[in-house]
Amino acid sequence: KNQVEQSPQSLIILEGKNCTLQCNYTVSPFSNLRWYKQDTGRGPVSLTIMTFSENTKSNGRYTATLDADTKQSSLHITASQLSDSASYICVVTFYGGSQGNLIFGKGTKLSVKP
Amino acid sequence: DAGITQSPRHKVTETGTPVTLRCHQTENHRYMYWYRQDPGHGLRLIHYSYGVKDTDKGEVSDGYSVSRSKTEDFLLTLESATSSQTSVYFCAIRQGGGENTEAFFGQGTRLTVV
Repeated sequence: KNQVEQSPQSLIILEGKNCTLQCNYTVSPFSNLRWYKQDTGRGPVSLTIMTFSENTKSNGRYTATLDADTKQSSLHITASQLSDSASYICVVTFYGGSQGNLIFGKGTKLSVKP
Repeated sequence: DAGITQSPRHKVTETGTPVTLRCHQTENHRYMYWYRQDPGHGLRLIHYSYGVKDTDKGEVSDGYSVSRSKTEDFLLTLESATSSQTSVYFCAIRQGGGENTEAFFGQGTRLTVV
């Protein structure tokens, strides 16, 4: 069964600190993996995309990694800011016709405190 | 935002009444999705469409129906609303293909069934 598991479920950190969010998937055949940020009351917005051949990609203070062998991805946030408080959702796209080809994790809720 | 508009943005309805939510897109995307988001469950797929009059069920389709008579509109209907359908509903479109696939989301509709 195609699944995406995220950990931790929630996380509280102090402003300026770093954190790492995890995503494990059992989706096949794999197409890409995206990390989305969802602010309270808004729809999710893509932060970064990882394809099968990519190991690391940065977008400002966000760095995503992908290990296609172990089917794991991480999102590292450096020097956190209050505006980073949001839910972060891992989404894996796969080839095939079922479920519209998108599998969502349940998300990690990040709270950044001053 | 890929030209996605959801309406209404907020709705309160009584148990047993029918409710229709509308998703409108302006960019001719083939794939459209309806998700519901509840605490502890993340985004769960209700139904999706892969073309005009082509729809399929997601993991939580019971109690919901959809219609897509035009490319730009995807309607979600609760035939007889129940309190368990109180949720935030998100419409999404899928852009690109293969490794570049990305989902774009609407602003969400908060539905309360009393």
